Amino acid sequence: EIVLTQSPGTLSLSPGERATLSCRASQSVSYNYLAWYQHKLGQAPRVLIYRASDRATGIPDRFSGSGSGTDFTLTISRLEPEDFAVYYCQQYGELPRTFGQGTKVEI
Amino acid sequence: EVQLVESGGGLEQPGGSLRLSCAASGFTFNIYAINWVRHAPGRGLEWVSGISSSGATKYYADSVKGRFTISRDNSRDTVYLQLNSLRAEDTAVYFCARDPGALPVAHFDYWGQGTLVTVSS
Repeated sequence: EIVLTQSPGTLSLSPGERATLSCRASQSVSYNYLAWYQHKLGQAPRVLIYRASDRATGIPDRFSGSGSGTDFTLTISRLEPEDFAVYYCQQYGELPRTFGQGTKVEI
Repeated sequence: EVQLVESGGGLEQPGGSLRLSCAASGFTFNIYAINWVRHAPGRGLEWVSGISSSGATKYYADSVKGRFTISRDNSRDTVYLQLNSLRAEDTAVYFCARDPGALPVAHFDYWGQGTLVTVSS
């Protein structure tokens, strides 16, 4: 199965700053089928980005995804207070679908 | 509005069984695949199982194969996950999550709030 490694484990930033999160795959992700999710404890996760760079419905444009092959990036251009959460990447280019271990974005 | 509501979680002993339910509303249920994804304490998200819109195709993670069974009742807009031979490492919040298509092969576009399963003696 494809192993996804996210870095850093924790990102300590302030509102208004830029966040750059990395997701590296153990092998190439077919068709760049890579999604990003935001998860706050006690809430349902929500999809932010799918197919590496397509923004999901209702997601603000400060969230953007990029990358291809084995290296992918989620960028939050200017952090808002509600953006502090855990972010996961997930690949669906190959079964089984797998998640990274998460990056916590904290104040 | 798309809604997925999980139920059936609780405290169970090792070796025991539970049945989780995911009740859907706000969309045409019988044309979408549905999945179960879990979040164990201190760990990341883990996909557990997925079922196609018709129920004909089912997939399982290796960690639960042979112990968990997914099913759906399209007349009730509900997906089930039968958990047997439970282990301590099955302790997690279990989320129901929708695929954007008929097969369980893509990303997850809608999620429920989750139901907590605790396996402990």
